[in-house]
Amino acid sequence: ETGVTQTPRHLVMGMTNKKSLKCEQHLGHNAMYWYKQSAKKPLELMFVYSLEERVENNSVPSRFSPECPNSSHLFLHLHTLQPEDSALYLCASSQPGTYEAFFGQGTRLTVV
Amino acid sequence: EDQVTQSPEALRLQEGESSSLNCSYTVSGLRGLFWYRQDPGKGPEFLFTLYSAGEEKEKERLKATLTKKESFLHITAPKPEDSATYLCAVQGYGNNRLAFGKGNQVVVIP
Repeated sequence: ETGVTQTPRHLVMGMTNKKSLKCEQHLGHNAMYWYKQSAKKPLELMFVYSLEERVENNSVPSRFSPECPNSSHLFLHLHTLQPEDSALYLCASSQPGTYEAFFGQGTRLTVV
Repeated sequence: EDQVTQSPEALRLQEGESSSLNCSYTVSGLRGLFWYRQDPGKGPEFLFTLYSAGEEKEKERLKATLTKKESFLHITAPKPEDSATYLCAVQGYGNNRLAFGKGNQVVVIP
């Protein structure tokens, strides 16, 4: 247990559905991240929040919408996804100044 | 743009057969180099941070070293439970992001 909890662990959704991924951290960190991990590819950074403000958005399609209501919680809202969006979505947190990111267990997303 | 290349992509070892994993990087000012272990279907687990050339860190059978261009993760007398994918990442100055390599997939055969 790393102190970063993601739910759900597995999600199957149709291309017309709307769903949300949730991440919660209990480490007292104030930076949170969403990463996408596809087979045979490096982890891709999607979004960075620092002190609840989005500081980076790496050209992610608008069908992915992040939300950070406070420094302990992070959401990724999904709508009208494509099959190529199927991947492991990882949440991480860190304390600015250390840059050691701690990851959750991930959500395995399958778009059908 | 920060870049990380890991080799070999996959490695099969007999139990007790020591080996090394390579992480080559290019970065405009290294803030830190990170090693993670990832088991199938799980999130990466933090192992080490290295900040400057010449630095070394150890944890059980794992030892990480750093030069100005690359890092090595040495696995001494591995056991089957060391089977995992090992990820290397770097962070440069002026960045909020970690740049990851594709990983080294290690299988240790009893």
